[in-house]
Amino acid sequence: DIQMTQSPSTLPASVEDRVTITCRASQSINSWLAWYQQKPGKAPKLLISKASSLQSGVPSRFSGSGSGTEFTLTISSLQPDDFATYYCQQYSTLWTFGQGTKVEI
Amino acid sequence: QVQLQESGPGLVKPSETLSLSCTVSGGSMSGYHWGWMRQPPGKGLECIGYLYYAGNTGSTVYNPSLKSRVTISLDTSKNQFSLRLTSVTAADTAVYYCGRHEFGVGLDTWGQGTLVTVSS
Repeated sequence: DIQMTQSPSTLPASVEDRVTITCRASQSINSWLAWYQQKPGKAPKLLISKASSLQSGVPSRFSGSGSGTEFTLTISSLQPDDFATYYCQQYSTLWTFGQGTKVEI
Repeated sequence: QVQLQESGPGLVKPSETLSLSCTVSGGSMSGYHWGWMRQPPGKGLECIGYLYYAGNTGSTVYNPSLKSRVTISLDTSKNQFSLRLTSVTAADTAVYYCGRHEFGVGLDTWGQGTLVTVSS
């Protein structure tokens, strides 16, 4: 099985901060990686597909990069609506999620 | 716009079978992966398994850790796919989500989720 390791698990931040979340795969997944945002009591929302493709309607302050085994999600200027938990997911072989990163004040 | 809705009992007794359905509205089921995920209270997401449907053919993939207890099936006449999880324990208590996975993209559509509690 491909394991996904996210860091950090918690990220204290302030509005307008630039934040970066890292996701590492236990083996190469090429660019078959997605990023999701989840707010309490809600289903996850797809932000980025294929490691760096921004989904329609997602603000441009979100960006993704990486390939192979190391990936990053960057929020260039954190907004109040961005305080949430973020998950990476590989879909190269089966589907596996990272353990999540909670971005909090 | 495609929408998904989970349905099924919110309470299941230990050792019994958890059964959920996901109704797909607003679009075709053909050409996509349809999956089940779960999230125990306060914890992260886990993929249970998924199926791929294209015309008259389909295939399923299950999480190895759950494979012996899981069945995911499709009913195209009702535009539904279903989850059966046998021999449940308290560890299976979670919010269960169904989702549509577009090839090369990810889980672009999710149901709202349904909490299933395993308790006597």
